[in-house]
Amino acid sequence: AQSVTQLDSQVPVFEEAPVELRCNYSSSVSVYLFWYVQYPNQGLQLLLKYLSGSTLVKGINGFEAEFNKSQTSFHLRKPSVHISDTAEYFCAVTANYNTDKLIFGTGTRLQVFP
Amino acid sequence: NAGVTQTPKFRVLKTGQSMTLLCAQDMNHEYMYWYRQDPGMGLRLIHYSVGEGTTAKGEVPDGYNVSRLKKQNFLLGLESAAPSQTSVYFCASRTTTSSRAYNEQFFGPGTRLTVL
Repeated sequence: AQSVTQLDSQVPVFEEAPVELRCNYSSSVSVYLFWYVQYPNQGLQLLLKYLSGSTLVKGINGFEAEFNKSQTSFHLRKPSVHISDTAEYFCAVTANYNTDKLIFGTGTRLQVFP
Repeated sequence: NAGVTQTPKFRVLKTGQSMTLLCAQDMNHEYMYWYRQDPGMGLRLIHYSVGEGTTAKGEVPDGYNVSRLKKQNFLLGLESAAPSQTSVYFCASRTTTSSRAYNEQFFGPGTRLTVL
């Protein structure tokens, strides 16, 4: 079975500062990894995904994530955040041989201050 | 193209009442999912469906039933609501392809349910 741990429940940051949201996963098989964003009172929207190939994945809104197999991590980064990035961010994992279900982390609330 | 829609957006129930949440998608997706979102717990899968007429249990199925009579609709039922079912419910759908590439799940806007 797969599991996901998001190490920070909240991350406060000032506008234009860099940010990293941490995600670690556990799995005995190869996985696909995802980051979703949830803006207030909305559903989830895909930011980026890692399926295979390059370990550095670029997504929407200037976000990127790096897959590190040895450390079983998939941290999300942005070099300069905006107020509009304030949202909840979810890391998710699925086994690559059975993609019926996604396992979500508990989420990280990114709060960007002016 | 409306994507994934959910009805209703809000609902308050009394303990023991029943209700059905409707999810509809117009993208001809094969897979559909029901999740619940609770503070500090992320999204947990309740039930899902890999095609019309099929359903399967997820992580937290107790107290819920589902039906997928039409490909575009996925219904979530609460037969006897309990305060522990107070939550925000999200529906999602995704397609499948012949390649091994995983297709993202598209989410609805959510239904906020309160059980008193």
